[in-house]
Amino acid sequence: QSALTQPASVSGSPGQSITISCTGTSSDVGSYNLVSWFQQYPGKVPKLMIYEGHKRPSGVSNRFSGSKSGNTASLTISGLQADDEADYYCCSYAGSNSFVFGGGTKVTVL
Amino acid sequence: QVQLVQSGAEVKTPGASVRVSCQPSGYTFNTYGINWVRQAPGQGLEWMGWITPSNGNTNIAQKFLGRLTLTTDTSTATIYMDLTSLTSDDTAVYYCARTQLLDYWGQGTFVIVSS
Repeated sequence: QSALTQPASVSGSPGQSITISCTGTSSDVGSYNLVSWFQQYPGKVPKLMIYEGHKRPSGVSNRFSGSKSGNTASLTISGLQADDEADYYCCSYAGSNSFVFGGGTKVTVL
Repeated sequence: QVQLVQSGAEVKTPGASVRVSCQPSGYTFNTYGINWVRQAPGQGLEWMGWITPSNGNTNIAQKFLGRLTLTTDTSTATIYMDLTSLTSDDTAVYYCARTQLLDYWGQGTFVIVSS
């Protein structure tokens, strides 16, 4: 499978909202409601932020929200804070217990 | 609480093989599948494969077919990842992660391939 397409970087000022897109195909993002989003700080283990496209695990701030339209999933961070500065990865189920990640997006808080 | 504990860092020479273990705790071992994901230095996450501990069924990413083997030892509730014919491109942190949600991750195992 080919990697999902994410913008390399997104930036915003504190308090603003930003959206990260994740574009796949009809074989992955478009076929399943199984897109996850992960936050990763440098040198740390990825953390699940959104699963099944829009659901938040317990303990994840409601400033993080997910959606999907067609072959593109999106992660929105509202009320941007300094500690949101990290790398973000999308991941989609691609059938038969296989998965594909996006290339990652570096979020910078200006 | 759910934890996935991985084996320690490895240094290998090109052409060698490496085995990384992942030992889940805090839930019934064979209830959930396990993914293996790697991350080369400064690069993104790459999905490698999946194993269903209850029956040993696996799905390996095309890129790793023939080089990657995933197994389980139910007596010790441990999952193993074996990667052969290592090159410098295999230098990475290797993670195990639980379920189709990848909801819990191991701490990562750094594998360095260098002559």
